Parts: sequence; C-alpha cells; structure tokens
Amino acid sequence: DGGITQSPKYLFRKEGQNVTLSCEQNLNHDAMYWYRQDPGQGLRLIYYSQIVNDFQKGDIAEGYSVSREKKESFPLTVTSAQKNPTAFYLCATRAGSGSSTDTQYFGPGTRLTVL
Amino acid sequence: AQSVTQLDSQVPVFEEAPVELRCNYSSSVSVYLFWYVQYPNQGLQLLLKYLSGSTLVKGINGFEAEFNKSQTSFHLRKPSVHISDTAEYFCAFSNTGRRALTFGSGTRLQVQP
Repeated sequence: DGGITQSPKYLFRKEGQNVTLSCEQNLNHDAMYWYRQDPGQGLRLIYYSQIVNDFQKGDIAEGYSVSREKKESFPLTVTSAQKNPTAFYLCATRAGSGSSTDTQYFGPGTRLTVL
Repeated sequence: AQSVTQLDSQVPVFEEAPVELRCNYSSSVSVYLFWYVQYPNQGLQLLLKYLSGSTLVKGINGFEAEFNKSQTSFHLRKPSVHISDTAEYFCAFSNTGRRALTFGSGTRLQVQP
C-alpha cells in the first residue's frame, strides 16, 4: 500500500521530555514537510526539506528539530524548548520537482498531548 | 504580507442545499490556489487546484471553484451537499517565492439532515 505513514497516531508526553514523530513515504517524492495544526488556526509550516541532507526552517521552527538522512524518512523531534507542543502534526510530501505548482500529499497525522 | 482568509469559520447547511465556502488571498506575485478537505482526525485530501487557464476548476466529489483575480478570491461551491460532505475545508496557496503552502484557518461545513 503506497503513501505516507505517520506514527504513532496518538502520543502523550510529560513536560520536559523530547519526543520524535515519525514520517515515512514510499512515493519517491523529493520534498517533505511538517505542519502543525491548532484549532481555528489552520496549518503552520514547521520545517521542510527539498532533498536528502538538506532542510529549511518554516514559520514556527523554534523548539523543533528535523533530519533528512534518507529520501523516505523525515522525522520531527519536539524538544522541551517548545512551550506549547500539544497539537496535531501533519507530514506532507510534494510530487514532481517540488515546484510551487505541484500537489502536496498529506499523511494521517499524529496527535501529541503534553500532560 | 501574503495570506489567505477564509471568511466563515463554520457553515451550517441542510442536505441537498447548495453551498459556497469563501476564500480570499493576498499576494504580491502570481499564486497557485488549492482547496483541501479534512475529515475528523485525518490528514488533508486535495479537492481541486488552480494553476492557470480556465478560471472555473472542477474537483472531486462534485466540488468546483472559481478563480477571480480582480477580487483575489477562490470560492468553493457545490450545488447539492450530502451528509458525507461534513468536514473541515482549507484554502491554500503557493507561489514561486515559497516552496510550501500557506493555509487559511479553515471552514467547518456541517450538513444537517
């Protein structure tokens, strides 16, 4: 079954702990993205990567880190520096060369709750 | 600043009635426009997109949208909604200066029997 997988679906974290969210894709897409979704605020860009071993900060990168060691994988770490991490996190990939006209495809999301 | 505004946070409508979800954008350069749908606790699914050409774009599930450059709008319409259309709808755009999408805050469509 092709597509984008995110795990786990639900994640609980204690304050002060780092946690890593997984995103894997078998679509052979070069570009990958992480968005955060909060109620009534739409989606906001955290980080994105156009190619392996390269990534750029998005609009709300503070308190987050990423790596892109393989084309298929783009994990997101939520660090203890992120002051309000409870949210729904969505991973996406982009078809084609990653240009502005290409469609973005989304994974099913991970809901993170800080206790 | 580049932004997307979805004017209605919630739109209640009866089944089989028509619906319009409004979207306006602000950008200093040419844009490419998208509508996505999100069902509860799921990811986003592309409904339709406008890149160039005909300003009336048809998408999946009977939805269509019209690009209006003079009014900087990209409203989503469906002539007759079903209960299964109940979901959140997001308008988004990209342009050559930005690799990612900029999203509106979403509109929750609630279809009632």
